[in-house]
Amino acid sequence: QVRLVQSGPEVKRPGSSVTVSCKVSGDTLTNSVVSWVRQARGQGLEWMGASIPVIETKYYAQKFQTRVTFTADESTSTVFMALSSLRSDDTAVYFCAMAEADSSGYYRGQGLQIWGQGTMVSVPS
Amino acid sequence: SYVVTQAPSVSMAPGETARITCGGDNIGRHNVHWYQQKPGQAPVLVVYDDSDRPSGIPERFSGSNSENTATLTITRVEVGDEADYYCQVWDNSVDHVVFGGGTKLTVL
Repeated sequence: QVRLVQSGPEVKRPGSSVTVSCKVSGDTLTNSVVSWVRQARGQGLEWMGASIPVIETKYYAQKFQTRVTFTADESTSTVFMALSSLRSDDTAVYFCAMAEADSSGYYRGQGLQIWGQGTMVSVPS
Repeated sequence: SYVVTQAPSVSMAPGETARITCGGDNIGRHNVHWYQQKPGQAPVLVVYDDSDRPSGIPERFSGSNSENTATLTITRVEVGDEADYYCQVWDNSVDHVVFGGGTKLTVL
């Protein structure tokens, strides 16, 4: 059974950066797309972007394009999301979620089949 | 960019049929996915590609998509179905995932 296990909660100062990890267990990163979605308290789901680690292809939501970085360590099947220049309104639960790449190996919004447990990132003002 | 719209809430009695909609311009041309999220939990994919169900999702959950409206239908609603439901599409003009604002299903 494939699982995504995320790193623990973080408390960060405004202006700093945070890195959240997402380890795939029970599978590898081959043919996988990993999306990052965040959710502020009481709010809806907000897509931040996605990556296909094995071909180093990345997709970014315009809102986060200048502040977010996606990396991966294929040897440990772990992907990372780094968010810089943190503000108080970045306080949210951050989820990683996995989809299968399409037949061409790319992401066209395929359904997110497996989700991590979420990581709380707090940026007190 | 592409926008999809959901009603904020819907209330049903146990045993009734709930229909949760997701509206968008020619949404019928997009693949629509639906997620269920219970409080304090990660979302769960319940319908993908308009009408397919992942393994383990009850047959009570079904989806349809035509013209400007996609619909998630839950038959014989149960108290355990109480959750937020989100639709998701792909905006291929900017290569973005777009989520609806979510619909809170209350089972009275």
